[in-house]
Amino acid sequence: GAVVSQHPSWVICKSGTSVKIECRSLDFQATTMFWYRQFPKQSLMLMATSNEGSKATYEQGVEKDKFLINHASLTLSTLTVTSAHPEDSSFYICSANLHNEQFFGPGTRLTVL
Amino acid sequence: GQQLNQSPQSMFIQEGEDVSMNCTSSSIFNTWLWYKQEPGEGPVLLIALYKAGELTSNGRLTAQFGITRKDSFLNISASIPSDVGIYFCAGIQGAQKLVFGQGTRLTINP
Repeated sequence: GAVVSQHPSWVICKSGTSVKIECRSLDFQATTMFWYRQFPKQSLMLMATSNEGSKATYEQGVEKDKFLINHASLTLSTLTVTSAHPEDSSFYICSANLHNEQFFGPGTRLTVL
Repeated sequence: GQQLNQSPQSMFIQEGEDVSMNCTSSSIFNTWLWYKQEPGEGPVLLIALYKAGELTSNGRLTAQFGITRKDSFLNISASIPSDVGIYFCAGIQGAQKLVFGQGTRLTINP
């Protein structure tokens, strides 16, 4: 149990376009999900906390208008990278909270050309 | 953002050797976690520590929660090739927010 999926697993897009990444809890409901970004050979950095039915809470330095988060149901949170630029290229990982434990998705590799 | 200080950053060992890595923080954490991440995947939880001084094992892995609640170590005994990966420590702050260490990249020579 406690499986988290992400879609797509990788995406390549042109600079200036928007990309949506989905995070789903497959066998449990999660009122709270988290979005992380991981640059090559670096650690995971929390971007925002996604709360079902309310606005996301963003970490300092993360632009909420650029990284749009929607947590419309108890099993789905989406992260939209708007007007993506090459510096947004990274590995985006989500996690979902169950019984005070975070279960991570497999990540989405975003490459912006 | 705050990060935990994890060392060493990388390790190159022979198969069968024991491995030790640790994390320290200037802040107190009430929960310490150790994760393993393989290339192109998300982290997978190895061990969770909830009490200061707690020593917990998971197979060949052993982790301890420091008495001061500002440090933790992870030991891997008798390493095998599938232990290769990046190991992260993490502490929990506030409402389940995870703060990660920089990671320890483990490479094993067969």
